[in-house]
Amino acid sequence: ETGVTQTPRHLVMGMTNKKSLKCEQHLGHNAMYWYKQSAKKPLELMFVYSLEERVENNSVPSRFSPECPNSSHLFLHLHTLQPEDSALYLCASSQEGRTGGEKLFFGSGTQLSVL
Amino acid sequence: GNSVTQMEGPVTLSEEAFLTINCTYTATGYPSLFWYVQYPGEGLQLLLKATKADDKGSNKGFEATYRKETTSFHLEKGSVQVSDSAVYFCALSPSFSGGYNKLIFGAGTRLAVHP
Repeated sequence: ETGVTQTPRHLVMGMTNKKSLKCEQHLGHNAMYWYKQSAKKPLELMFVYSLEERVENNSVPSRFSPECPNSSHLFLHLHTLQPEDSALYLCASSQEGRTGGEKLFFGSGTQLSVL
Repeated sequence: GNSVTQMEGPVTLSEEAFLTINCTYTATGYPSLFWYVQYPGEGLQLLLKATKADDKGSNKGFEATYRKETTSFHLEKGSVQVSDSAVYFCALSPSFSGGYNKLIFGAGTRLAVHP
């Protein structure tokens, strides 16, 4: 148990559906992250929230919409996805200082399949 | 730009064999280097790290030495166990991440250890 909980663990959705992924951290951290893990590709950093403000958006398509209502919760809203969006979506958190580079704590991920 | 390259897997070994997983990086300045491990059905966990040249990170029998002259951070273990079967990710954190952790990951190397 890393202190980062993601739900659901598995999600199957059609291309016209709207769904949301949820992440909750119980560690008191001040930064939260969404990563995409696809087979045989490096983990892709999608979004970063630091002190509840989005500080990084790595050219992610608008069909992915993040939300960070408070420092403990992070959502990823999904709509009109494509089959190539099927992947494992990982949430992570960290306690960052002025120089960064601190340890990331990951959740177990949501395995998403888009039909 | 910054990038991480790992050897492709899968790596298949017998129990008690010696393990090496190669990792090289490209970065400006003086990044920190990490190995993360992902056990089946789980998120990534930090295995070890090194923050400056010639540092050796170690944990659970695994070791990696930060080699600036060869820009490498190879992971080694003298005697692997079945329980070490997992996916191993090499990663770097740039010299200054601006207050949050901008880890850049390799594609991961799957290790399978047989009795």
